[in-house]
Amino acid sequence: RKEVEQDPGPFNVPEGATVAFNCTYSNSASQSFFWYRQDCRKEPKLLMSVYSSGNEDGRFTAQLNRASQYISLLIRDSKLSDSATYLCVVNILTTDAGNNRKLIWGLGTSLAVNP
Amino acid sequence: DAGVIQSPRHEVTEMGQEVTLRCKPISGHDYLFWYRQTMMRGLELLIYFNNNVPIDDSGMPEDRFSAKMPNASFSTLKIQPSEPRDSAVYFCASSLVPTTGGWRDTEAFFGQGTRLTVV
Repeated sequence: RKEVEQDPGPFNVPEGATVAFNCTYSNSASQSFFWYRQDCRKEPKLLMSVYSSGNEDGRFTAQLNRASQYISLLIRDSKLSDSATYLCVVNILTTDAGNNRKLIWGLGTSLAVNP
Repeated sequence: DAGVIQSPRHEVTEMGQEVTLRCKPISGHDYLFWYRQTMMRGLELLIYFNNNVPIDDSGMPEDRFSAKMPNASFSTLKIQPSEPRDSAVYFCASSLVPTTGGWRDTEAFFGQGTRLTVV
């Protein structure tokens, strides 16, 4: 089983629609969680962190369910400019002696918002 | 701050040639990551450094790949000899050392990537 799993999509939605992505992770020692956005042929950029209590940033809402080990991203009132790939990222504590952490990435969910 | 700077942006090389990718992380960031991205496998972590020391290189595909970080402001990823299956986009990213566990501390900032084509 992959450490971080996402539905690859693509999700094709009309402008104004609400769309939700889920992501599951397997490492119960995961410490922090993020959604990154990647536009075509560009680098990934942080969209938002995911807090235990859930958090909202404008049209975007992120939720974390530690018991079920999944995180979600909800986009309301979709815009054409939301078309991108959304990457789920989990920060885990590594097993080396240095108390280091590393980011584990999902393969991404592709979203196309259509006029 | 200029962000993470990678060079070259594009590289086309013949099979068997040596390829060197370069990265300058954001000043003050103690973590540096090298990733490879392909359509089939997504973003794969190749290696990462903490304070210039390689911590985990388990993602390096084979001995043809090597990475160095001689100082806090420069890292290289070398492929020798290169093969067509190495064709991908290679990203370098940097982040701060997580201190109190604040979420923003672990945000990774990416360079624009090097698109490598081995023919």
